[in-house]
Amino acid sequence: AQSVTQLDSQVPVFEEAPVELRCNYSSSVSVYLFWYVQYPNQGLQLLLKYLSGSTLVKGINGFEAEFNKSQTSFHLRKPSVHISDTAEYFCAVSRYNQGGKLIFGQGTELSVKP
Amino acid sequence: DSGVTQTPKHLITATGQRVTLRCSPRSGDLSVYWYQQSLDQGLQFLIHYYNGEERAKGNILERFSAQQFPDLHSELNLSSLELGDSALYFCASSSQTGVSYEQYFGPGTRLTVT
Repeated sequence: AQSVTQLDSQVPVFEEAPVELRCNYSSSVSVYLFWYVQYPNQGLQLLLKYLSGSTLVKGINGFEAEFNKSQTSFHLRKPSVHISDTAEYFCAVSRYNQGGKLIFGQGTELSVKP
Repeated sequence: DSGVTQTPKHLITATGQRVTLRCSPRSGDLSVYWYQQSLDQGLQFLIHYYNGEERAKGNILERFSAQQFPDLHSELNLSSLELGDSALYFCASSSQTGVSYEQYFGPGTRLTVT
């Protein structure tokens, strides 16, 4: 069975500083990887996805993530955060031929301070 | 706006009652997924429907059931409600089945059981 671990439940950071949100997964088969963002009182929005190909994936709002198969990681990064990036971030995996259901990590609350 | 609509936005009900949550997928999407988000369990996959047929089940309680209608909207029925059922319920839609390259989430229904 797959599982997803987000290593930090809360990440406080100052505006314009870089940030990395860590995600590790476990699976015995190939998976697809996703990062979603949830702003307060809203649904989830897809930031980026890794399906195949280049291990460096660029998403919306200046975020990027790197797939590392040997370390089973998919960390999310942004070189300079903005106050508006304050939100909860979820890493998720889905397994091919399992209907596309997403298995989510517990979430990381990113708090950007001025 | 993801194009996925959910009604109602908020629902407050008493233990033992039954409620129905409704989801309309994006135009043209055949897959509907239901997820539950709670403080203790995080985001959990409940069930997946594709073009009216159940495709996958997660940790969905026997008190919960769902269906997808010919017009592709879906309903999640929760019965004999308990305090622990209080959560945010999301539906998501996707155009594919077998593998979900991208799921679009609705704004959620916040259920409070008193």
